[in-house]
Amino acid sequence: DVKVTQSSRYLVKRTGEKVFLECVQDMDHENMFWYRQDPGLGLRLIYFSYDVKMKEKGDIPEGYSVSREKKERFSLILESASTNQTSMYLCASSPTGYGTEAFFGQGTRLTVV
Amino acid sequence: DAKTTQPPSMDCAEGRAANLPCNHSTISGNEYVYWYRQIHSQGPQYIIHGLKNNETNEMASLIITEDRKSSTLILPHATLRDTAVYYCIVRSSNSGNTPLVFGKGTRLSVIA
Repeated sequence: DVKVTQSSRYLVKRTGEKVFLECVQDMDHENMFWYRQDPGLGLRLIYFSYDVKMKEKGDIPEGYSVSREKKERFSLILESASTNQTSMYLCASSPTGYGTEAFFGQGTRLTVV
Repeated sequence: DAKTTQPPSMDCAEGRAANLPCNHSTISGNEYVYWYRQIHSQGPQYIIHGLKNNETNEMASLIITEDRKSSTLILPHATLRDTAVYYCIVRSSNSGNTPLVFGKGTRLSVIA
């Protein structure tokens, strides 16, 4: 069974902390994505990566950075967590090619207090 | 990628077919129609996709009109576990490395 695994299901962090959200996929996919989901705003793209060490900004990259040192792992970093980053974070991966599907992790619900 | 329009919510009786419409009138020739769903507090789950022809898998059927400007996702025998938000997404054929763009979707409630 294909899998995208996010390191934590629930996380509580303090304002100002540096936060790492980890995502690992076991499907050898080239492409990985980070979204956040908020009530009334839907899923919004933060960053994505189409290759190791490559990254592209999505719609809302401010306050975030990413790291992709290995093909299977894509990390989302909150440099200095703030309360407005309280959200559900979703990681996805997909292969390159025609008519391909994306697979999502279960999500990390982050609360910044 | 083309925009899609879906009704915000629908109800369906358990055991009946759920037919979820999607309008994508600006779709271009190389764009696929994808359907995903998101059950509460889980990540989105792929359901099905198609280009021109109707498609069926173990989860659902996808009917695409001949002009490709609209499609319908059919869950043949809806169960309570099918209660979810369903997203219709149009995506370029060679866009494995470009992100899915989610709209608001349709909230399907399956009622016992």
